[in-house]
Amino acid sequence: KAGVTQTPRYLIKTRGQQVTLSCSPISGHRSVSWYQQTPGQGLQFLFEYFSETQRNKGNFPGRFSGRQFSNSRSEMNVSTLELGDSALYLCASRLRTGVMNTEAFFGQGTRLTVV
Amino acid sequence: KNEVEQSPQNLTAQEGEFITINCSYSVGISALHWLQQHPGGGIVSLFMLSSGKKKHGRLIATINIQEKHSSLHITASHPRDSAVYICAVTPLNSGGGADGLTFGKGTHLIIQP
Repeated sequence: KAGVTQTPRYLIKTRGQQVTLSCSPISGHRSVSWYQQTPGQGLQFLFEYFSETQRNKGNFPGRFSGRQFSNSRSEMNVSTLELGDSALYLCASRLRTGVMNTEAFFGQGTRLTVV
Repeated sequence: KNEVEQSPQNLTAQEGEFITINCSYSVGISALHWLQQHPGGGIVSLFMLSSGKKKHGRLIATINIQEKHSSLHITASHPRDSAVYICAVTPLNSGGGADGLTFGKGTHLIIQP
């Protein structure tokens, strides 16, 4: 069974540009969550998608957005990049069967560097 | 104050030692997770707990819901256990549903041969 796949693994962008990151969850998983990891703030929740709908959102500015497709693949977009957006972006997939808590499986992450 | 506090922040031990990492949280939760992150970034989920105790090989995780505390133990530690161990909780939101994970800062564990 394939794991969670994130692409690209590494990305370098310039301030002011926008970026799109992709996450393919484990087959059959319908929940995808996104997280940002920086040395100063650690891991922080960005948002969660389930059945193509954003279910929860963390405390990030509107420049951070996402979407989920009918095949459960998810993308997140960051517009007008700032130096402080440099981070490891992780996605996690979960099987949501009506049980509130199921184990989260993480991808390898996309390391974004803004210069 | 962080909602999830881990201790210690850094831990260096000799191979074979018994390791304990602690996690305290201040919010109502529906589950607690222990995660392992190796250099390079990938995160592996070790345990998800809502009560009691779980064991996988040399790893044991316990949780005390009343005291809002969890511990991760590693028996017969090995250099390959060197990693960052992260405690995370799924907070209960005001609607009683589950929000995204809230993380501790992590414990950097080094096991020396």
